[in-house]
Amino acid sequence: GENVEQHPSTLSVQEGDSAVIKCTYSDSASNYFPWYKQELGKRPQLIIDIRSNVGEKKDQRIAVTLNKTAKHFSLHITETQPEDSAVYFCAASKVDYKLSFGAGTTVTVRA
Amino acid sequence: NAGVTQTPKFQVLKTGQSMTLQCAQDMNHEYMSWYRQDPGMGLRLIHYSVGAGITDQGEVPNGYNVSRSTTEDFPLRLLSAAPSQTSVYFCASSPGREVSTDTQYFGPGTRLTVL
Repeated sequence: GENVEQHPSTLSVQEGDSAVIKCTYSDSASNYFPWYKQELGKRPQLIIDIRSNVGEKKDQRIAVTLNKTAKHFSLHITETQPEDSAVYFCAASKVDYKLSFGAGTTVTVRA
Repeated sequence: NAGVTQTPKFQVLKTGQSMTLQCAQDMNHEYMSWYRQDPGMGLRLIHYSVGAGITDQGEVPNGYNVSRSTTEDFPLRLLSAAPSQTSVYFCASSPGREVSTDTQYFGPGTRLTVL
């Protein structure tokens, strides 16, 4: 099955700086790559996703890039704010109902 | 719309007991899934369904059963609870192939402790 690795496991950034989280996947047939944000005690919520026919996607301060050849994708958060503190998960799938998740990155934004 | 709902929110079981975690969605979504979340391991797929009457195993199906008799409901049954099943369980749904979005919507989760 698909194996998704996520780095780093923890990330501390100064407010206003950028944060980058990287994921690699093993199955070259994977074609859908969502990112979820999970606040403490809450459910995961989709923040951005990308398909394999697109190299980059942006939504305000959040962007995702995909390198199909290298089988890795990254989440970029610019101008970080305290409310960006959370656990972020990457995932990959060939069909939407079988997501394989990374282990998560705990992001702390220091004021 | 209530979205995806799960009951109970918390549950404590003794080893060997059985129980059913309930999941329902009111968005007429075709796909539904169950995940478990353990510290440091992300979310792992237990079982999924692509429509009423159709279910299949995910990555960690052992010790769990599911059924999908209606579009709305997708209960998860623990047959004989074990301490290794202590986890947070999330149900999720997504529209399905007829709709041009793969977004999965998660329920609020059930925190299960097996003693």
